[in-house]
Amino acid sequence: DTEVTQTPKHLVMGMTNKKSLKCEQHMGHRAMYWYKQKAKKPPELMFVYSYEKLSINESVPSRFSPECPNSSLLNLHLHALQPEDSALYLCASSHRDRGYEQYFGPGTRLTVT
Amino acid sequence: QKEVEQNSGPLSVPEGAIASLNCTYSDRGSQSFFWYRQYSGKSPELIMSIYSNGDKEDGRFTAQLNKASQYVSLLIRDSQPSDSATYLCAVNGGNTNAGKSTFGDGTTLTVKP
Repeated sequence: DTEVTQTPKHLVMGMTNKKSLKCEQHMGHRAMYWYKQKAKKPPELMFVYSYEKLSINESVPSRFSPECPNSSLLNLHLHALQPEDSALYLCASSHRDRGYEQYFGPGTRLTVT
Repeated sequence: QKEVEQNSGPLSVPEGAIASLNCTYSDRGSQSFFWYRQYSGKSPELIMSIYSNGDKEDGRFTAQLNKASQYVSLLIRDSQPSDSATYLCAVNGGNTNAGKSTFGDGTTLTVKP
């Protein structure tokens, strides 16, 4: 099974709202990622968790707050977003033993109004 | 110079032809190399991983790696309209940030019936 699930599929939120994106995998992968992708651009790395610890933060604004409650779950908490944050948010997971090849979830399409 | 560069598209080939996608990278310490396929509106899907010099074949797909030239390619034989997508080359760093992939901008392939 190489499935990564993400919820919700679509999210519309106002600039004052607080929402969370969720990601789950049951492949035993110990690295999990959040990416942001704009139309016709490659995925842009936001955060990497390795063994449930935040290992990479690509200078992401504090209005995005990641959380890794356990080895299977990854959350992204959103607060006071801007319209330019509207994008496809992708979660991925990988394992060192497989050369860190990444498996992506279907993504959450976020619109900030 | 970008860390990962792909041949600029879009690339258009007739059905049944060979599509050739190219990628160069700048980090000589890179260990793992990946090709992802992304259909419009969908998330990236891993189609090939390659870790050592030479060719790796999987069905109609062949990945080629030349570390001395810092070059990775993907050949798609007997191209089908269903191969029409954006292809992303990704490279994993060396000892530091081993779990982090750097993506190229992607090459959009159109296979015409």
